[in-house]
Amino acid sequence: DAGVTQSPTHLIKTRGQQVTLRCSPKSGHDTVSWYQQALGQGPQFIFQYYEEEERQRGNFPDRFSGHQFPNYSSELNVNALLLGDSALYLCASSLQWQRGEAFFGQGTRLTVV
Amino acid sequence: GQQVMQIPQYQHVQEGEDFTTYCNSSTTLSNIQWYKQRPGGHPVFLIQLVKSGEVKKQKRLTFQFGEAKKNSSLHITATQTTDVGTYFCAGPNTGGFKTIFGAGTRLFVKA
Repeated sequence: DAGVTQSPTHLIKTRGQQVTLRCSPKSGHDTVSWYQQALGQGPQFIFQYYEEEERQRGNFPDRFSGHQFPNYSSELNVNALLLGDSALYLCASSLQWQRGEAFFGQGTRLTVV
Repeated sequence: GQQVMQIPQYQHVQEGEDFTTYCNSSTTLSNIQWYKQRPGGHPVFLIQLVKSGEVKKQKRLTFQFGEAKKNSSLHITATQTTDVGTYFCAGPNTGGFKTIFGAGTRLFVKA
């Protein structure tokens, strides 16, 4: 049983570019949340997707957008990249009815230069 | 806004010593979760506490949820080098689906 998988694992982008990160949830999970984790800090909630809809958003600008597909996989898009967007981006999957426990992927390390 | 705070930020212990990290929320939580993140790794779910005053044990780890459901603690008895990592507490925002993480406590264990 595959856990949460994210791709790519590492990425280097230039300021102003756009990036798409991908996440496949744990088998059977229907809810995907995205987090940004800066070095030495806790994960910061970006948004959560359930039934292909964004149902809650954290304090992130509109440059951050996402999508969930019918197979529950998800994408995170970031436009007009800034140096400050450099971070580890984590995807977590869970069951809608089982609030709390979440399984994290290994993350995508994004570096903006 | 709603905040989750953790202390201490760092803790250095000798192998075999005990370790405790504390978590405080600015608001009452419906539940609290604890995660462990090894250096270079991703957060791994440890446990969820739901009831006021709840205490749960996992081998050498003891988790407590405060009576007011605004604070929690994780205690590790007789630390081992495998306990190295950052321990995060996290809780849901009131009435929503957002999970708010504390800044974590990084544990260093000297053999």
